Amino acid sequence: GAGVSQSPSNKVTEKGKDVELRCDPISGHTALYWYRQSLGQGLEFLIYFQGNSAPDKSGLPSDRFSAERTGGSVSTLTIQRTQQEDSAVYLCASSSRDGAYEQYFGPGTRLTVT
Amino acid sequence: GQQLNQSPQSMFIQEGEDVSMNCTSSSIFNTWLWYKQEPGEGPVLLIALYKAGELTSNGRLTAQFGITRKDSFLNISASIPSDVGIYFCAGQLTSGTYKYIFGTGTRLKVLA
Repeated sequence: GAGVSQSPSNKVTEKGKDVELRCDPISGHTALYWYRQSLGQGLEFLIYFQGNSAPDKSGLPSDRFSAERTGGSVSTLTIQRTQQEDSAVYLCASSSRDGAYEQYFGPGTRLTVT
Repeated sequence: GQQLNQSPQSMFIQEGEDVSMNCTSSSIFNTWLWYKQEPGEGPVLLIALYKAGELTSNGRLTAQFGITRKDSFLNISASIPSDVGIYFCAGQLTSGTYKYIFGTGTRLKVLA
């Protein structure tokens, strides 16, 4: 079956512009996560969706960041008024509640803010 | 945000050598995951651990869930050049959420 997919794979934007990053989780997975990975760094948790529960937004670094998940499947991470420090790889992962909650990652979107 | 202490930060080893890395925390975890990430790609799940003391293998990789539930270890035996990459641990807290905390990563380079 298909894995987690993300689009675009690369995005270059000017400072101050808004960007939208998309994640398509593995079919049937109820949990979806967004992480940020700066160059050479570990993964920074941003937000987590589980089924119909309210998302855990505790990792969002500022109110310029928001995410939604429509129909319990596709998710969009939006960054408004981008800043240069937002440049990073944004990774999405999904997991199934059935079994072990193992997370499977997409290839990421590399965001560069100029 | 929270991160696990992972060591070593980086390793340069000769092909054929064994590798050991570990993650430690002051918190208790109920699941440990180990990932490998290659340049330009997302992390790929290698091994999952669910019980304290559990020892699980995946080919040349062996991982253990520490008995205190605060640490985990990953060993790679007889390393080969394609083992190059960054290895991350991730721990799931027992707080009832599905959130994982990630280690800072171990960058592995294998010299042929």
